[in-house]
Amino acid sequence: AQRVTQPEKLLSVFKGAPVELKCNYSYSGSPELFWYVQYSRQRLQLLLRHISRESIKGFTADLNKGETSFHLKKPFAQEEDSAMYYCALSSTGANNLFFGTGTRLTVIP
Amino acid sequence: DAGITQSPRHKVTETGTPVTLRCHQTENHRYMYWYRQDPGHGLRLIHYSYGVKDTDKGEVSDGYSVSRSKTEDFLLTLESATSSQTSVYFCAISGGTGGYNEQFFGPGTRLTVL
Repeated sequence: AQRVTQPEKLLSVFKGAPVELKCNYSYSGSPELFWYVQYSRQRLQLLLRHISRESIKGFTADLNKGETSFHLKKPFAQEEDSAMYYCALSSTGANNLFFGTGTRLTVIP
Repeated sequence: DAGITQSPRHKVTETGTPVTLRCHQTENHRYMYWYRQDPGHGLRLIHYSYGVKDTDKGEVSDGYSVSRSKTEDFLLTLESATSSQTSVYFCAISGGTGGYNEQFFGPGTRLTVL
């Protein structure tokens, strides 16, 4: 069975500091991993997906199959990064996502 | 925002009453989903649809039913609402150029069951 774990419910960092939101998963096959973000009063939206290997809004995430992790990182946090972040997994051949419980990031000015 | 609307946006109802939430899309995406969002649980899939009249259960389907009679509409029904169904409900769609796993979400419906 698939499982996505985000160990931190809340994370606070100062503006300009590095930030890392942790995501671990369990799945026996080859998963597709995503990070979704929900800013205040906005819809949940896709931030990035591991297969595209791109940086969005300064965020990157690398899939580490050995550690079964997909941590989200940004070298210098900005106040506008304050939001709820969800890690999600899609299993092989499936068309639905399993979400973690989310991490609320607060960037302190 | 992708063309996804949900109605109503807010609803307060009493235990035991039936409730129907509507998701409407203008993107002609094949897949549609209903999730509930609860503190400490994140988003959990209730039901999803992979075409007109084709639906399947998700992780937390008990107490919910769905229908999809046309591509653009996906209805979620609580036959007899309970207080445990107080939640924020999100509709999502996928099947566009980003592939089936890139989901686009609606604005959400906040449901309170008294």
